[in-house]
Amino acid sequence: SQTIHQWPATLVQPVGSPLSLECTVEGTSNPNLYWYRQAAGRGLQLLFYSVGIGQISSEVPQNLSASRPQDRQFILSSKKLLLSDSGFYLCAWSNGRAGPQYFGPGTRLTVL
Amino acid sequence: GQQVMQIPQYQHVQEGEDFTTYCNSSTTLSNIQWYKQRPGGHPVFLIQLVKSGEVKKQKRLTFQFGEAKKNSSLHITATQTTDVGTYFCAVPLKTSYDKVIFGPGTSLSVIP
Repeated sequence: SQTIHQWPATLVQPVGSPLSLECTVEGTSNPNLYWYRQAAGRGLQLLFYSVGIGQISSEVPQNLSASRPQDRQFILSSKKLLLSDSGFYLCAWSNGRAGPQYFGPGTRLTVL
Repeated sequence: GQQVMQIPQYQHVQEGEDFTTYCNSSTTLSNIQWYKQRPGGHPVFLIQLVKSGEVKKQKRLTFQFGEAKKNSSLHITATQTTDVGTYFCAVPLKTSYDKVIFGPGTSLSVIP
């Protein structure tokens, strides 16, 4: 069966510090991968998605970036965090073709 | 652009009462998905509806896809405290089958 991992679960970072969040998927090949951000009590905002290694589509202009160095690995990064980057970051995978998305446990990021 | 709306935004019910949330799309859909997010948790895929007028049941949950394939509903019979959470619908983006649009969600509170 498929499993998706995200770490860390919680992160507190100062403004201006770098960020690296990692997501890995097991049990499937060539998945579509997604990064979402969810503000407290709000909906899901798609940040990046990838349909293959090295292929990244950015949905929202910001100081975040994403990379997919391996088929089942998706990384979210920032060189300098802003206060507005605080939120709940969720990684998800799907088989594409408008199919269901399966989410990881998420990372709660607080930027102080 | 393509829009997805959900009503109500919030619903408070007494335990044992029924609950319904509605999802409406500005365009005809190939499918619609429903997710549940418990407080503090991540969204979990519940079900996907594909056919016009389709009705699917999962225990006390009944999902329906409209005849025109532009709307859907989720009905919970005799709510329990375990039903607490936010229910999201999601629909494929017309311009890209690799992405879905999530509705803003309906937050359900159950008073014991």
